[in-house]
Amino acid sequence: DAGITQSPRHKVTETGTPVTLRCHQTENHRYMYWYRQDPGHGLRLIHYSYGVKDTDKGEVSDGYSVSRSKTEDFLLTLESATSSQTSVYFCAISRDSGTEAFFGQGTRLTVV
Amino acid sequence: KQEVTQIPAALSVPEGENLVLNCSFTDSAIYNLQWFRQDPGKGLTSLLLIQSSQREQTSGRLNASLDKSSGRSTLYIAASQPGDSATYLCAVIGVTSGSRLTFGEGTQLTVNP
Repeated sequence: DAGITQSPRHKVTETGTPVTLRCHQTENHRYMYWYRQDPGHGLRLIHYSYGVKDTDKGEVSDGYSVSRSKTEDFLLTLESATSSQTSVYFCAISRDSGTEAFFGQGTRLTVV
Repeated sequence: KQEVTQIPAALSVPEGENLVLNCSFTDSAIYNLQWFRQDPGKGLTSLLLIQSSQREQTSGRLNASLDKSSGRSTLYIAASQPGDSATYLCAVIGVTSGSRLTFGEGTQLTVNP
């Protein structure tokens, strides 16, 4: 299994609070991604990173920000959580653009 | 905009049957196509990656084919087992989408003993 660790694995938070999810990899892969998975929508890209301090938006980036200060860590922040952000969040990595992607085990976030 | 469709959405088969899962995509300009497996409450496990220049890839009882010109891929599972029960997802990386994977919604497979 690719060395990807997501934390926390489960979180319940209140509307309006900030939340940060962490993805840590031990593979030294250049690309890291955050996806969310929702019934009826499948997996959708939120943000991705192609190197330290290099990030770009995905198709559902509103309400989310990311940071990558080290190769191994990619943080996803919900500045002010809303109920529509209740979802399962997956981190993925790939060695380079267009190469095989590997996924973490997911974080189940519930915003009440 | 790339769209990926997987048919059927759900499939139930008896153990031992050979089966085919289908994936279609609207933009044939892709770098590669990747098949994943997802067990309930778990992450995605990569099964096979097919580069755009390849026609098929095999891993054990799995064989994936790619017809880029028609925008289709199939995942063939031979001699299915109850342990194959899971949701199977296909995803493509388009030439114009950078490094982003675009996913289908998956086929939920149940193999009955």
